[in-house]
Amino acid sequence: AQSVAQPEDQVNVAEGNPLTVKCTYSVSGNPYLFWYVQYPNRGLQFLLKYITGDNLVKGSYGFEAEFNKSQTSFHLKKPSALVSDSALYFCAVSNDYKLSFGAGTTVTVRA
Amino acid sequence: DTGVSQDPRHKITKRGQNVTFRCDPISEHNRLYWYRQTLGQGPEFLTYFQNEAQLEKSRLLSDRFSAERPKGSFSTLEIQRTEQGDSAMYLCASESLWGRGAGDSYNEQFFGPGTRLTVL
Repeated sequence: AQSVAQPEDQVNVAEGNPLTVKCTYSVSGNPYLFWYVQYPNRGLQFLLKYITGDNLVKGSYGFEAEFNKSQTSFHLKKPSALVSDSALYFCAVSNDYKLSFGAGTTVTVRA
Repeated sequence: DTGVSQDPRHKITKRGQNVTFRCDPISEHNRLYWYRQTLGQGPEFLTYFQNEAQLEKSRLLSDRFSAERPKGSFSTLEIQRTEQGDSAMYLCASESLWGRGAGDSYNEQFFGPGTRLTVL
């Protein structure tokens, strides 16, 4: 079965600094990978996805993710973090249509 | 707002009672999914529908759980004889199949705000 892992429970960065949220995957076949963000008392919001093609995927709110096949990673990045980026981030892999999520990484951006 | 709505947003019930949740997906989305999220975990798949047909159910979905999507539009998730272990956030998501070939699985799912269930 397909799965993803998020090795960090928490990431803390200062506003204006680069933000990276890590994700590794384990799949058989082609990976279909997603990032979602969850704000308090709100549902998950789609950020970006990798299906095929360019290894650098650009998404919403200035986020991007780099697909690395040799390292089986799909890390989420933002060049300059904002306080409003503080939220819970989930990496997911499509597994016969349904999504399998990682445990999530809490991002805190301090002013 | 993703366009997917869920009702109620919060439900507190006593152990042994039945509860029903509703999900209204984005109009004309063919696929509808139910997930469950517990504290500190990512969402876990429960079941999904393509139009009105329920195509897969997770092993997490015990016999006390039943889901329907009678007209291929809104869906309901019912839990009978609730247990304290059922306390969780129940998320609904919808997905459009338009624009992709059969067997592909790369469209994003749009999630509702969830229904938080607390079983006392």
